[in-house]
Amino acid sequence: DSGVTQTPKHLITATGQRVTLRCSPRSGDLSVYWYQQSLDQGLQFLIQYYNGEERAKGNILERFSAQQFPDLHSELNLSSLELGDSALYFCASSVDMITEAFFGQGTRLTVV
Amino acid sequence: GENVEQHPSTLSVQEGDSAVIKCTYSDSASNYFPWYKQELGKRPQLIIDIRSNVGEKKDQRIAVTLNKTAKHFSLHITETQPEDSAVYFCAASTDTGKLIFGQGTTLQVKP
Repeated sequence: DSGVTQTPKHLITATGQRVTLRCSPRSGDLSVYWYQQSLDQGLQFLIQYYNGEERAKGNILERFSAQQFPDLHSELNLSSLELGDSALYFCASSVDMITEAFFGQGTRLTVV
Repeated sequence: GENVEQHPSTLSVQEGDSAVIKCTYSDSASNYFPWYKQELGKRPQLIIDIRSNVGEKKDQRIAVTLNKTAKHFSLHITETQPEDSAVYFCAASTDTGKLIFGQGTTLQVKP
C-alpha cells in the first residue's frame, strides 16, 4: 500500500457523460500528479498541483479539469466522455517537487 | 519538447541472465531519473532512482547508470528471476517534479 488512495477503483459510464475521480495523497504530501494510461500505452502526464495551486500541465484535454482542495485531496473531472477516454487514471503524490512520487492503485474508466 | 525514449519495447531473457533497459531524455534540465515496475493491472512502483549528481547507483540486483553528457540512463537487472517479469518504465523530471515517462519495456523472464 503506497498510502495514496484513489476512488472509485472502477467506473463504467456512457459516452457524453461526466465523471469525477478522487485522489487522497499520502499524509504530508503536498504535490499531486495525474497520469493517464491507455491500453498498451505508457503513462501520460496530465496535470500537477502543489499545495492547492496548479504547477504544470501536460497534454490534458479541454474536456478535462482538475483541482486540489485545502485538505490536499484532488479531483479529476472528465466531461463529454468519448470511447477513447477509456483508460487507467493514476494519481501520484510526493512530499515536494523533488522527491519520489508514490502512485495510487488507479481508477479504471470504461466508456461505453 | 520534453521527451523520453525507451528501448527495447520488449525483452525476453532466461532466468539467471542479465537484462538491460536504456532510456534517452531530451530536456537538459532533467535532474531526477526514477525507474518504475508495473505488474499487470497494478500501480507503478518505484524500484530505484538516481539524481544528476550521481553516475551510478546499485540496490542488490538492480543498478542504474546515468550519462548526463549523452542524456542517457540505463537499468541493469542481474540474476533475473521469474518475479522480475513486468513492465518497466523509466522517467525523467526537472525541479517541477513532473515525471515524463518512457514508453515502457515488457520484460519476460523465462524459467
